Amino acid sequence: DAKTTQPPSMDCAEGRAANLPCNHSTISGNEYVYWYRQIHSQGPQYIIHGLKNNETNEMASLIITEDRKSSTLILPHATLRDTAVYYCIAHKHGSSNTGKLIFGQGTTLQVKP
Amino acid sequence: SAVISQKPSRDICQRGTSLTIQCQVDSQVTMMFWYRQQPGQSLTLIATANQGSEATYESGFVIDKFPISRPNLTFSTLTVSNMSPEDSSIYLCSVAQGGPPNTEAFFGQGTRLTVV
Repeated sequence: DAKTTQPPSMDCAEGRAANLPCNHSTISGNEYVYWYRQIHSQGPQYIIHGLKNNETNEMASLIITEDRKSSTLILPHATLRDTAVYYCIAHKHGSSNTGKLIFGQGTTLQVKP
Repeated sequence: SAVISQKPSRDICQRGTSLTIQCQVDSQVTMMFWYRQQPGQSLTLIATANQGSEATYESGFVIDKFPISRPNLTFSTLTVSNMSPEDSSIYLCSVAQGGPPNTEAFFGQGTRLTVV
């Protein structure tokens, strides 16, 4: 799986959009971009994933650049409960690989009142 | 979605002893994964456990230190053997559900281990 690079920390005001960037310049054509988050003292939680099209679900939106070298996770209206470490992971599915995630250091998002 | 239960949730152990962590899933899964999260760090994959075969360990992790059992499709154990304070970490169990490309990983709440 390709290496990803994220800023170590970010702040966001409650109610505003949180935009979390991720660089994955060496991503291969069959690697998906996955986002997980880990709230303090809990296991990681899936947020969203995509290949090349932008994706949206009830939690977030994922914007992937046309060259797929970077992406942005958007939490449209951040709340205090969104304070967590956010992990961007480039993951290639395969019979022995699917679900086997390689975590980087992630971004610690602090949502402030 | 998968619901994963880990036991114990936390423990304090003496150095030189061993601890076995249990992971129970509410549905049958082919592969289960064990991760370690050292204090203030990200998650590191220890091994992949398939039912009916020996676990596959990542670089830096060996079976003698972290033996794994996978007796059926809903259960696995990880043993941390001959513990030292450096083994103090959170240990997490994970499974993947949904076929590619819509696979999601689900995690247990983790076992917080302190070795004294």
